[in-house]
Parts: sequence; structure tokens; C-alpha cells
Amino acid sequence: KQEVTQIPAALSVPEGENLVLNCSFTDSAIYNLQWFRQDPGKGLTSLLLIQSSQREQTSGRLNASLDKSSGRSTLYIAASQPGDSATYLCAATDKLIFGTGTRLQVFP
Amino acid sequence: DVKVTQSSRYLVKRTGEKVFLECVQDMDHENMFWYRQDPGLGLRLIYFSYDVKMKEKGDIPEGYSVSREKKERFSLILESASTNQTSMYLCASSTSSDSNQPQHFGDGTRLSIL
Repeated sequence: KQEVTQIPAALSVPEGENLVLNCSFTDSAIYNLQWFRQDPGKGLTSLLLIQSSQREQTSGRLNASLDKSSGRSTLYIAASQPGDSATYLCAATDKLIFGTGTRLQVFP
Repeated sequence: DVKVTQSSRYLVKRTGEKVFLECVQDMDHENMFWYRQDPGLGLRLIYFSYDVKMKEKGDIPEGYSVSREKKERFSLILESASTNQTSMYLCASSTSSDSNQPQHFGDGTRLSIL
């Protein structure tokens, strides 16, 4: 059964830092992998979706990569801002399996 | 713009009550999902539906049922609410015409069972 793990569970960084969030999955036969952002008390907002045939996707300061052979995806956030503070979740969405998330705090 | 609306943001009910959580999407999506989210456990799929009047069990369907009478509406039903069903419930939808389109989520319903 597919399992999705995110490390670290929490991260606190000063504004301006570049950072990497990690997501690992046990079954490499995923169809696509999606990164979401969740603000406190809110639903999930889709950030990036990487198809299995792709290796990365970019949107603004965000870049997500996918390495199926190693069972890993990373979300790279450039020049972090306090407004980036949220919980970030990855999901093997064809399997409807989510990680438990990384809670990010960016302080001024 | 894509919109998934959950009828209540906060709900308080008593043990043994029958509880209805409603979700409506305006994107003509075929697929709809109900998840619950608990600290340390992440999102877990309760039920999903790929079409009107169609439903499939997710990972934790016990104690729940669903109804999809119309394409835009997917209801989650707690037949006899129990305290262990206190949680954040999230509804999502997606299109089946392109499986590489993202899921869209509502803002969630925080349900407390007393």
C-alpha cells in the first residue's frame, strides 16, 4: 500500500532563505504527485502537480521535482517570505494518499 | 474561478445524532471526495464518487455513508455520531476528463461531537 512521508514535520526559517521540503513515497508507480498549501483552519490550495512523465514543475518562487526511481519529491521555495507560512502537503493524488505535512514558519 | 463550498465551517452535535455535511461544487466535476483530517494522521479518505449515484469506500468508511443524487452535490452522513468522529472534514472535487488536473478543496467543516 502506498505510504507518503514528509520530513521535517516543522520548519522555522528567517525571511529570505531558500528552503526545501521533502516528500517520499513507497510505491514508485504513481500517476502524479501534487503539492498543496494549507493555511490554519482552511482547506487545501493546489500549488503544483507533477505528472509521472515529468521531472519538475515551476510556479513563481516554487519549484517541485519528482524522482520516481528514488521515491522522492521536493518542493523548493526561493526567497521565503512571512506570507509563505503555512502547512505544505504532498499527495500521490491518483492513489488519494496524503502526507502529514510540513508546518513552515517564516519569521521577519 | 473554481469553487467548492462546504455548508458549515463549524458544527457541534451530540453523540447519537444523525449528522449531514454538505458539499457543492460549481465546476461540473465528475469526481468528488470526502476526507477527514486529524493531527498526526494527515488526510484520510472516507468516501469518493466518480459519478452521480455512484460511491466507493475509501480507507476509513466505517460509521459514515454518502449520497450523490446530483452531480454538483456530495453529502457525507454520520449515521449515529460518536466522539471519535470529532474532526476537520474536507470535501474535494476533480475532473475525470483529465486525470492530471488538480483536486480542488473546500474550506472544511470543523465538527465537534459532544
